[in-house]
Amino acid sequence: NAGVTQTPKFQVLKTGQSMTLQCAQDMNHNSMYWYRQDPGMGLRLIYYSASEGTTDKGEVPNGYNVSRLNKREFSLRLESAAPSQTSVYFCASSAPPGITDTQYFGPGTRLTVL
Amino acid sequence: QKEVEQDPGPLSVPEGAIVSLNCTYSNSAFQYFMWYRQYSRKGPELLMYTYSSGNKEDGRFTAQVDKSSKYISLFIRDSQPSDSATYLCAMSPNYGGSQGNLIFGKGTKLSVKP
Repeated sequence: NAGVTQTPKFQVLKTGQSMTLQCAQDMNHNSMYWYRQDPGMGLRLIYYSASEGTTDKGEVPNGYNVSRLNKREFSLRLESAAPSQTSVYFCASSAPPGITDTQYFGPGTRLTVL
Repeated sequence: QKEVEQDPGPLSVPEGAIVSLNCTYSNSAFQYFMWYRQYSRKGPELLMYTYSSGNKEDGRFTAQVDKSSKYISLFIRDSQPSDSATYLCAMSPNYGGSQGNLIFGKGTKLSVKP
C-alpha cells in the first residue's frame, strides 16, 4: 500500500515549456487534490476532484489544467510554464465524509521554471 | 484579513520544553480543525484532528479549540528533537475538506535543540 505517489520528484523547465505532473493513490479514495506550497504562502489549492468524472477550481487555478483519468489517477498540466509557477506541488486524496477525517498527501514534486 | 493566521516562526526550544503553537481564524463556519506536521522535503501528515470546541489529547500532543475566540492551539509536552518540523493548522466547514475547502495556515517552523 503505497498511499499517494507523485512523479516526477524534481523537474526543471524553461519558460514556455509544458509538462504534466502525475499523481496516483491506491486507497480507493473518491476525492483528489492538487496544492502548491510556496514560502510564506502556505498550501494553496489549485484544483480538486470530488469524485471520478468531476473537477473544480480551487484558489489558484490560472495556468493549470487537470484530468481525473480514473478513480486512482489525477494529473496536473502546465501548458506554458512561467517562473511564477516555480513551487512545490502536492497531490492529496481523501475518502468520502464519514469514512476518514484527513487528506493524505504525496511526497511532492519540486518544480523550477527558469 | 486572511481566513487563517499562523505565526511562521521560526520557533526554537530546548529539548523537554513545552511548545505552544497557535492559529486564529475569521470564518465562523469552520467546524473541523486539524494539525498537520511536515518534515523537511516531505508531504504534510495529519497529527491531530478536532471537531468543534474542546480538547483532544494524543500522547505528548494536545489540541485545543476555542470557537468563541476563533483560536486553536497545539501543545507538545516533553518536546524531542524528532518534533523538529513545520506545523500547519488547517480547518474546514465540512468533514475532511472534501469540497475543496480545507484552508491551511502558513505553518510554524519548530526546531527542538538537544
